Amino acid sequence: SQKIEQNSEALNIQEGKTATLTCNYTNYSPAYLQWYRQDPGRGPVFLLLIRENEKEKRKERLKVTFDTTLKQSLFHITASQPADSATYLCALNTNAGKSTFGDGTTLTVKP
Amino acid sequence: DAGVIQSPRHEVTEMGQEVTLRCKPISGHNSLFWYRQTMMRGLELLIYFNNNVPIDDSGMPEDRFSAKMPNASFSTLKIQPSEPRDSAVYFCASSSYSGGMTDTQYFGPGTRLTVL
Repeated sequence: SQKIEQNSEALNIQEGKTATLTCNYTNYSPAYLQWYRQDPGRGPVFLLLIRENEKEKRKERLKVTFDTTLKQSLFHITASQPADSATYLCALNTNAGKSTFGDGTTLTVKP
Repeated sequence: DAGVIQSPRHEVTEMGQEVTLRCKPISGHNSLFWYRQTMMRGLELLIYFNNNVPIDDSGMPEDRFSAKMPNASFSTLKIQPSEPRDSAVYFCASSSYSGGMTDTQYFGPGTRLTVL
């Protein structure tokens, strides 16, 4: 059956360090993958999209990689700040336009 | 743009009552999604529409749930009769979709439903 796993439910790091979040999937052939941020009491907010033929995407302090052989995406936040504390969701998309979300990883950046 | 608008923001009802959640997507978007989020099950897609037509409702949990999109600017999700296990946050999202590639989804603030 299709499955999306995000590395852990919670990740705690020190301010200034790089946070690395993992999204693994099985039995999918996604056309592209997205990462979202969700703060408590709010809806998810889009961060980055990476297509199946792209290896890496960057946006400011964010970097996403996509390895379709390993069936894995890594999401990095460099020079992390307490304001980066949130839950991060990965979502796999087929060409049919349907998104399937992982359960999310809650990141806490300590000052 | 006001973004995706959902109402009500909070709903508390008693078991057996009918509940109607409302969504206004972003103007110009042609895809609309209804999700449910709980601690146990995460974010689940219930149903999505393209150009007001339901495309995939395989996530709708039971016949008690129904969704409509009478026009491009309005959708409803109805639960009748409601049960305590329906308690969750319900999100509506919209995006642009054209022939195989969908744009990113923009989520509304959600409706927190509590069924007593």
